[in-house]
Amino acid sequence: GENVEQHPSTLSVQEGDSAVIKCTYSDSASNYFPWYKQELGKRPQLIIDIRSNVGEKKDQRIAVTLNKTAKHFSLHITETQPEDSAVYFCAASKAAGNKLTFGGGTRVLVKP
Amino acid sequence: DVKVTQSSRYLVKRTGEKVFLECVQDMDHENMFWYRQDPGLGLRLIYFSYDVKMKEKGDIPEGYSVSREKKERFSLILESASTNQTSMYLCASRQHVLNTEAFFGQGTRLTVV
Repeated sequence: GENVEQHPSTLSVQEGDSAVIKCTYSDSASNYFPWYKQELGKRPQLIIDIRSNVGEKKDQRIAVTLNKTAKHFSLHITETQPEDSAVYFCAASKAAGNKLTFGGGTRVLVKP
Repeated sequence: DVKVTQSSRYLVKRTGEKVFLECVQDMDHENMFWYRQDPGLGLRLIYFSYDVKMKEKGDIPEGYSVSREKKERFSLILESASTNQTSMYLCASRQHVLNTEAFFGQGTRLTVV
């Protein structure tokens, strides 16, 4: 089955700096790659996703890149703010209706 | 707004008890999932269901079973709770037709003593 690895497990950045989280996946048939943000005590919520026919997607201060050949994708957060502090999860999914496999999560701390 | 609601926020059960965790969604989603969240291990899939009465094992199904008698409701059952099942349990749902966003419940923090 699919295996998703996520690095780093923790990331501390100064406010205003950029943060990058990287994930690799094992199943070349995976074609949907969402990122979820989980604030303390809250449920995970989707912040951005990318499909395998696209190499990059951007939404304001966050962007995701996908390298299908290398089977890795990354989340980039620019101009980090304290409210970006949370746990971030990457995930991969193979086809419509199939299960969603998550990485181990990255705890991001933005220091003011 | 999609709503995925889990029946309890916190539960404390004794070792050996049979435990039921309930999840209800109101968006007519075909797919429903149960994940377990532990520090450093991310979200691990226990079971998922793609239709009423249909289920598939996830990555860590041992010690768990599920029930989906109605489309909107997906139950996770711990047949005989053990201390290593102390964890945060998250239910999620999403559409079947396209690869789309999964919506999560608020989570149930289960402690087995």
